[in-house]
Amino acid sequence: SQQGEEDPQALSIQEGENATMNCSYKTSINNLQWYRQNSGRGLVHLILIRSNEREKHSGRLRVTLDTSKKSSSLLITASRAADTASYFCVPLKTDDKIIFGKGTRLHILP
Amino acid sequence: SQTIHQWPATLVQPVGSPLSLECTVEGTSNPNLYWYRQAAGRGLQLLFYSIGIDQISSEVPQNLSASRPQDRQFILSSKKLLLSDSGFYLCAWRPRGIHTEAFFGQGTRLTVV
Repeated sequence: SQQGEEDPQALSIQEGENATMNCSYKTSINNLQWYRQNSGRGLVHLILIRSNEREKHSGRLRVTLDTSKKSSSLLITASRAADTASYFCVPLKTDDKIIFGKGTRLHILP
Repeated sequence: SQTIHQWPATLVQPVGSPLSLECTVEGTSNPNLYWYRQAAGRGLQLLFYSIGIDQISSEVPQNLSASRPQDRQFILSSKKLLLSDSGFYLCAWRPRGIHTEAFFGQGTRLTVV
């Protein structure tokens, strides 16, 4: 099992702007998942991208995956106050344990 | 549909007292189960991982133990709590398979006083 390394560690943007956060990992994967944690709450799964996919969309979320660079990005368009949260990427292979990195703390300013 | 129940939501316990946190999953069978802890201002630390009854791996040495008495029940325990056991505890489950996501409970906020 491995954990992803999210970058930046913290990000503050104005409401309505787009937010981009990046993830790097070290060894080959079957898929990469993004999760969100609102302060003091449980985690919510946002999106899963398989290793043979390069881009995936879900509502205002756009995820890319570059397996040659072992990196992924999460773009949140037209940010809202409710997007304020910590975001985690989880690179996975087979039935790996799910291990979380430090995440990106996103703060949407009014 | 599948659901995960974790309780209690909050707990205040004195140092040296025992602990039992329970997590149950409904609507699925043979799930992978996880316990995590998040100390104040810190990341999520994987404590225990189980792929079946009596198949539990401990990820970090600690004052805690886990048991899985039934397929969909995962219990986190301690015989004597320490101050350092304070934190936010999360239970999660994940279906078997390659491309599956994890589902988290609402968490238990434990304060050891």
